[in-house]
Amino acid sequence: EAGVAQSPRYKIIEKRQSVAFWCNPISGHATLYWYQQILGQGPKLLIQFQNNGVVDDSQLPKDRFSAERLKGVDSTLKIQPAKLEDSAVYLCASSLFWDRAPTNEKLFFGSGTQLSVL
Amino acid sequence: AQSVTQPDIHITVSEGASLELRCNYSYGATPYLFWYVQSPGQGLQLLLKYFSGDTLVQGIKGFEAEFKRSQSSFNLRKPSVHWSDAAEYFCAVGARAAGNKLTFGGGTRVLVKP
Repeated sequence: EAGVAQSPRYKIIEKRQSVAFWCNPISGHATLYWYQQILGQGPKLLIQFQNNGVVDDSQLPKDRFSAERLKGVDSTLKIQPAKLEDSAVYLCASSLFWDRAPTNEKLFFGSGTQLSVL
Repeated sequence: AQSVTQPDIHITVSEGASLELRCNYSYGATPYLFWYVQSPGQGLQLLLKYFSGDTLVQGIKGFEAEFKRSQSSFNLRKPSVHWSDAAEYFCAVGARAAGNKLTFGGGTRVLVKP
């Protein structure tokens, strides 16, 4: 079974530039999550999708971050403009059912995109 | 609001020795508790989870964890570590009442000495 795919693996940009990350979840998984993991901290949920609808984006800094999952499959997360404090690993995860996830349902994580903002 | 504290940032253990990682949580009701492992360059992998019932939970790779309500703890243990156990370990708490949102601790990095 193919896992959660993320690209790019690494990205280095200067502050005020824009950046986009891509995630392709496991086939058939309805729920997709984007997490931000700052060095030395645990992952923090940014946004959760159920198919192509947003379930929770309460911790997404909407003035600069945006995410979409247009066809309910793959997703992109964008930062525009980037700040130094956005340097982190951005993890994508997916699960089969949203109403049982992530507590009663297993989350599958991608390897992440490591972003460095200079 | 739910929160998780992992008091130990780094732990170094000799191969073959026992390992215990501490996790304390804060939540008003009975939480769901998880331990994840993150190896370098890889995504997080679920080791084990506690929802209810037996407070001693068995997981993959020989790990176990014990839920102690009186201490608000969910410590992870392994009797004998292998070099491949070197990784970062995250404790997480979730609850249906909190919208099933997972809150992660800051993580504990485990180094294994030969």
